[in-house]
Amino acid sequence: TQLLEQSPQFLSIQEGENLTVYCNSSSVFSSLQWYRQEPGEGPVLLVTVVTGGEVKKLKRLTFQFGDARKDSSLHITAAQPGDTGLYLCAAGANNFNKFYFGSGTKLNVKP
Amino acid sequence: GAVVSQHPSRVICKSGTSVKIECRSLDFQATTMFWYRQFPKQSLMLMATSNEGSKATYEQGVEKDKFLINHASLTLSTLTVTSAHPEDSSFYICSAPQQGLYGYTFGSGTRLTVV
Repeated sequence: TQLLEQSPQFLSIQEGENLTVYCNSSSVFSSLQWYRQEPGEGPVLLVTVVTGGEVKKLKRLTFQFGDARKDSSLHITAAQPGDTGLYLCAAGANNFNKFYFGSGTKLNVKP
Repeated sequence: GAVVSQHPSRVICKSGTSVKIECRSLDFQATTMFWYRQFPKQSLMLMATSNEGSKATYEQGVEKDKFLINHASLTLSTLTVTSAHPEDSSFYICSAPQQGLYGYTFGSGTRLTVV
């Protein structure tokens, strides 16, 4: 059983299209992070959201933390081939004794 | 910024042998280290959490006698895959939380291939 469920699992789109990735859980988290990972490398942190309802923007990426702090979304505007990668949400316990990743969304942006 | 150095980056070993993977925190003290494994095109699965000076906590389904974790100092955690088999071939990666912050620093990963 996955603590953090992401959808969709796979996404293949054309350059210029918009997309949204969802991360859902039945648990409440004090914070949630989004990462992007390239094959053979470690994940790279994109953003940390802390407050319920919080919205953060990183260029063409918009991240939102649900009001109840159980879910989050990542929206990419005008996707580019360089956005291709594995997107992972992740969250941990307040005392850092656990840190779990979501099931992942594999994004492929075709030129 | 905080750096976790992970070695080796790639290792090929024969079935039945043991392989040790090291993760060192270079400029901060890592009292906790998370160990993950990742199969191709899948997410990172938490295997265990190591804590300096105490026994590691393993996730359900992870064999503690097969994946030996040692966290002997505040800057070094090791994962030893004992009696490796081809099904243990995977990408292993460590991560340390930065106490007081929300950041987690990741090692660069180890690609293990058991032949």
